[in-house]
Amino acid sequence: QVQLQESGPRLVKPSETLSLTCTVSGYSISSGYHWGWIRQPPGKGLEWIGIISHSETTYYNPSLKSRSTISVDPSQNQFSLTLSSVTAADTAVYYCARGPRYCSGGSCYTKHFDYWGQGTLVTVSS
Amino acid sequence: QSVLTQPPSVSAAPGQKVTISCSGSSSNIGSNHVSWYQQLPGTAPKLLIYENNKRPSGIPDRFSASKSGTSATLGITGLQTGDEADYYCGAWDSNLSAGVFGTGTKVTVL
Repeated sequence: QVQLQESGPRLVKPSETLSLTCTVSGYSISSGYHWGWIRQPPGKGLEWIGIISHSETTYYNPSLKSRSTISVDPSQNQFSLTLSSVTAADTAVYYCARGPRYCSGGSCYTKHFDYWGQGTLVTVSS
Repeated sequence: QSVLTQPPSVSAAPGQKVTISCSGSSSNIGSNHVSWYQQLPGTAPKLLIYENNKRPSGIPDRFSASKSGTSATLGITGLQTGDEADYYCGAWDSNLSAGVFGTGTKVTVL
């Protein structure tokens, strides 16, 4: 049974860096899937943040790319998200998720997410 | 700033059918597979449909989906009170080299 669990500070000050970790159980993070982050501001829709492959290839939402970094730690079976220079607009529930690998035209990415973490609310406030 | 457009809400009586549309462009729905997610109140999204019309194990066949051109549609038949949720479409966008989600649709069972 694949399970994902987000962890990290629930409160971040404006202009600081948000850091979250997703711990994966029931599946090896090195076994060929993509691992992603999605967020949802309170009362709003889903926003795709980015994904990372087991070989550490990353794709980011262009609107967040300059502030986002996704990394993977196979030894801990974890992957992480950092988002710099946060503002109140970054307040959201952050989800981590697993996505099956799909390759086309020389690029490999994920078309959908089949397992999700329960999500963690991160509030940006002083 | 969602790239895929959905109606804000749809509703129907128990036992009836609802359809949810998802409109995109040639760089996302027009050239890539569509997925659908169900988000029950207070919970994480759950994969409902992948690769346009495939259901993961455990998803009842009351849920179906199709794609035509740059639009996709999710259908729910035999509507139940437990189907009250927000539904999102998703796809890869080849121009953005990123995934995109729809604006979301709230399904209400009258």
